[in-house]
Amino acid sequence: QSALTQPASVSGSPGQSITISCTGTSSDVGGYNYVSWYQQHPGKAPKLMIYEVSNRPSGVPDRFSGSKSGNTASLTISGLQAEDEADYYCSSYTSSSTYVFGTGTKVTVL
Amino acid sequence: QVQLVESGGGLVKPGGSLRLSCAASGFTFSDYYMSWIRQAPGKGLEWVSYISSSGSTIYYADSVKGRFTISRDNAKNSLYLQMNSLRAEDTAVYYCARAPVTTADFDYWGQGTLVTVSS
Repeated sequence: QSALTQPASVSGSPGQSITISCTGTSSDVGGYNYVSWYQQHPGKAPKLMIYEVSNRPSGVPDRFSGSKSGNTASLTISGLQAEDEADYYCSSYTSSSTYVFGTGTKVTVL
Repeated sequence: QVQLVESGGGLVKPGGSLRLSCAASGFTFSDYYMSWIRQAPGKGLEWVSYISSSGSTIYYADSVKGRFTISRDNAKNSLYLQMNSLRAEDTAVYYCARAPVTTADFDYWGQGTLVTVSS
């Protein structure tokens, strides 16, 4: 199972919006609404930010939103803040009953 | 509150074995699927394995199949990963994570335990 494809880096100024893409295949992202997104600060464990494509767990700010079109899922951060600077990973359930993560995206707040 | 605490990491020689443990608290452990996920130094996340709430359903990534064994003890609220025939490429921080089957995500993570495979 190959890793899902994400851009290596995305940057934006405070207050701006950025979008991170996550491209897979019809056997993972395109085949299920089981795409989730994780935020990871340096030296810390990942944190769930979005589940089932577009749902936010309790406590996650509403400036984080998710969507999906075909084999590509997206995470949008609106009103970018300094504390959003981190690595972000997508994940999908697959047709093999396994999971696959994305390659990861480093978000920089300029 | 949900807490997951991994232990058992360390330095091991290539070809050696190691057993990781994950102690769970703050939720009904026997109701949840659990998973192991790893992260090599400076690299991305890689899903390793998951086990159903009863232990009857288990899946592995191809990279560890035949070498790693996931198990759980619901009476002890504990998850395990037996790692055999370790290779340098298995060097990583290993996280245990709660994996609700209904949403197919990883909603709580431990702090991780570092496994280093080196001679």
